[in-house]
Amino acid sequence: SQTIHQWPATLVQPVGSPLSLECTVEGTSNPNLYWYRQAAGRGLQLLFYSVGIGQISSEVPQNLSASRPQDRQFILSSKKLLLSDSGFYLCAWRKAGFWNTEAFFGQGTRLTVV
Amino acid sequence: AQSVTQLGSHVSVSEGALVLLRCNYSSSVPPYLFWYVQYPNQGLQLLLKYTTGATLVKGINGFEAEFKKSETSFHLTKPSAHMSDAAEYFCAVIPPSGNTGKLIFGQGTTLQVKP
Repeated sequence: SQTIHQWPATLVQPVGSPLSLECTVEGTSNPNLYWYRQAAGRGLQLLFYSVGIGQISSEVPQNLSASRPQDRQFILSSKKLLLSDSGFYLCAWRKAGFWNTEAFFGQGTRLTVV
Repeated sequence: AQSVTQLGSHVSVSEGALVLLRCNYSSSVPPYLFWYVQYPNQGLQLLLKYTTGATLVKGINGFEAEFKKSETSFHLTKPSAHMSDAAEYFCAVIPPSGNTGKLIFGQGTTLQVKP
């Protein structure tokens, strides 16, 4: 069966510090991968998605970047965090090639920038 | 661009009462439609989905949703609310065109269940 792991679960970082959130998927190959951010009262905002290794699409201009160094690994990064980067970050995967299938989500990372 | 509107950011019902959470999408071509539930500080769990076929879809935990093309709606219902249903609910769509399968979410509805 497929599983998705996301870590860390919580993170408190000072303004201006770097960020690295990691997400890995097991039990499937070549998944579509997604990073979402959930801010209070604002629903889920799609930040990045990837349909293959090294292929990253950005949905929203911002202080963050994403990379996919391996087939089932998706990393969200920042060189210098802003207060506005605080939120709940969710990684998700979908089966590639099947446009009507649901996404499966990790447990999320609560990021607080102080 | 495809969008999803969830009417009512907060819905409060009594235990045992009908739950109705509203979702409308904007598209002339029906998208693929999903409902997810999120408990505090957790990821999202799929409740149900509509892709093709029967327009009344049954999901987990007694929830169901009906796709109505004429109303561009996909409202979520449950006949009798339980305390454990208190959570945040998200409607989501995948536009039928394109090759990324991007899942676009509504703003979410927080369901409160009163004893």
